[in-house]
Amino acid sequence: LAKTTQPISMDSYEGQEVNITCSHNNIATNDYITWYQQFPSQGPRFIIQGYKTKVTNEVASLFIPADRKSSTLSLPRVSLSDTAVYYCLVGDSTSGTYKYIFGTGTRLKVLA
Amino acid sequence: GAVVSQHPSRVICKSGTSVKIECRSLDFQATTMFWYRQFPKQSLMLMATSNEGSKATYEQGVEKDKFLINHASLTLSTLTVTSAHPEDSSFYICSAVGTSGGVFTDTQYFGPGTRLTVL
Repeated sequence: LAKTTQPISMDSYEGQEVNITCSHNNIATNDYITWYQQFPSQGPRFIIQGYKTKVTNEVASLFIPADRKSSTLSLPRVSLSDTAVYYCLVGDSTSGTYKYIFGTGTRLKVLA
Repeated sequence: GAVVSQHPSRVICKSGTSVKIECRSLDFQATTMFWYRQFPKQSLMLMATSNEGSKATYEQGVEKDKFLINHASLTLSTLTVTSAHPEDSSFYICSAVGTSGGVFTDTQYFGPGTRLTVL
């Protein structure tokens, strides 16, 4: 069963750029990589999704190398309200049935 | 993005009773819905996957007779926790993928979650 790994926690200061990586060695050929943000007692909120190279939207960028075995979520100029847990999600078909495996999550704390 | 709602947001029940949680997709047709459970300070754990009109597929270790899932329409799935016990207390979250305006997307959109406390 494929596993995804992320740093458990990160601290940053307001206005800085934050990069969070996710390792997914057994990503399937057709899988997309999706990142979510979760606040306490809320459901995950979609941030960004990509397949390869770089994707950018109004809130974040996603960098995926050619081998797709990892991905990096980049949050430009974070604010206090970005303090949350960030998860990467990839599909996993190594066990024969399609399922989604959430990463361990990275707890980002933004300091003033 | 797509909107998914859950009801109730919070429920407290006595041990031995059953609790039903509803998950609705408000602006798209949810062909597949997922149910997750999340314990404090842990990641989301997939419990089951359900396709509209079909029986749910449960993850290993999840009792299908205890966690009854129904996905009878393209906008509604329900999770019933039968004979709930304190160890079932957790945060239950649903998600959905499907079609909006004729375009399919496999991006999961999540509901706000339901906090279940069993006394």
